[in-house]
Amino acid sequence: AQSVTQLGSHVSVSEGALVLLRCNYSSSVPPYLFWYVQYPNQGLQLLLKYTTGATLVKGINGFEAEFKKSETSFHLTKPSAHMSDAAEYFCAVSDPVGGSSGSARQLTFGSGTQLTVLP
Amino acid sequence: DGGITQSPKYLFRKEGQNVTLSCEQNLNHDAMYWYRQDPGQGLRLIYYSQIVNDFQKGDIAEGYSVSREKKESFPLTVTSAQKNPTAFYLCASSTSDTQYFGPGTRLTVL
Repeated sequence: AQSVTQLGSHVSVSEGALVLLRCNYSSSVPPYLFWYVQYPNQGLQLLLKYTTGATLVKGINGFEAEFKKSETSFHLTKPSAHMSDAAEYFCAVSDPVGGSSGSARQLTFGSGTQLTVLP
Repeated sequence: DGGITQSPKYLFRKEGQNVTLSCEQNLNHDAMYWYRQDPGQGLRLIYYSQIVNDFQKGDIAEGYSVSREKKESFPLTVTSAQKNPTAFYLCASSTSDTQYFGPGTRLTVL
């Protein structure tokens, strides 16, 4: 069974400081990995994803993440935090449901990290 | 504009009532999903559908039902058998590797 651990349910950074949100996963197959962001009372928006290829992936709003197989990690970073980055962030891992060749893939989510940006 | 719509945004239910949450997508995606979100617990999968007229239970299907009569629509019914239905419900649809989410429906049981 897959699982995702996000270290730190709440992270606070100052505006302009580095953002680092940690995600570790377990998976029995090569994983697809995702970061989503959620603003209050809204749905989830895809920030970035890793499926195959380059292990350093860039996403929207200046975020990037690096897939490290040896560490089973997919940490999210941003060099300089902005007030608008305050939100909840979810890491997720997916694999095909029931081993099927259909289009559905089951996502397993971490419990989320609430990012606060201090002025 | 392509996307996923959910309605209503807010829904109030009395105990013992069934309610149906709507989810529509115009992205031409085959697969659709329903998740439940509770504070501090991330998202949990209720049901998913890979194709019209087919759907499968997820991790927490008890007390819920779905239908998939059209590719664009995947409504979720929260039945009176669901003991703790107050939550935020998210619908998603997917390409071969990525899920995209609707704006959500917040259900409150009075």
